[in-house]
Amino acid sequence: AAGVIQSPRHLIKEKRETATLKCYPIPRHDTVYWYQQGPGQDPQFLISFYEKMQSDKGSIPDRFSAQQFSDYHSELNMSSLELGDSALYFCASSLLGATEAFFGQGTRLTVV
Amino acid sequence: QKEVEQDPGPLSVPEGAIVSLNCTYSNSAFQYFMWYRQYSRKGPELLMYTYSSGNKEDGRFTAQVDKSSKYISLFIRDSQPSDSATYLCAMSADNNNDMRFGAGTRLTVKP
Repeated sequence: AAGVIQSPRHLIKEKRETATLKCYPIPRHDTVYWYQQGPGQDPQFLISFYEKMQSDKGSIPDRFSAQQFSDYHSELNMSSLELGDSALYFCASSLLGATEAFFGQGTRLTVV
Repeated sequence: QKEVEQDPGPLSVPEGAIVSLNCTYSNSAFQYFMWYRQYSRKGPELLMYTYSSGNKEDGRFTAQVDKSSKYISLFIRDSQPSDSATYLCAMSADNNNDMRFGAGTRLTVKP
């Protein structure tokens, strides 16, 4: 069965650079969530989208922005990267109201 | 105090043992309760989900929710070395899909 696809799998950026992470949800899923997981930490909710509109916002820094496109894929844009942004970034998708979310394999971002 | 508390372990058991993993929470609005399994460097994988109080069984896994005590459990019977992973509880309120996760419990099942 198709799963959530994230790209790239690994990304290395320097401080103050920008990064764009992409997420392709499971077909027919209309809701996308972004999570940040630091080393040894639990996933922290960043932001979610339903039908291309932001549906909820968590602890996403102002330097980050995200959007969902007409094909339901989502992109997380990160600017002015800081060392502390180094983490695993997970995308999850679901059908609105289904609550069970399915995660992608994550993008490991390293800021040097 | 975090909304969801989970003992990070580590927890080490022999193969075949019954494993009990638990979380407590403070937000009485939570209605949906999930357990995720995460292997090292992989994304969390949904194992079980339950709505409101009660039990749910799926193979060797049983999830229990006690809303009156704000306490959820995951039991793994006949544990296998392949069950070695970090187990994260997660929960969300009605019509609110941003989940709150526990810290995760690292489980090792020794052959």
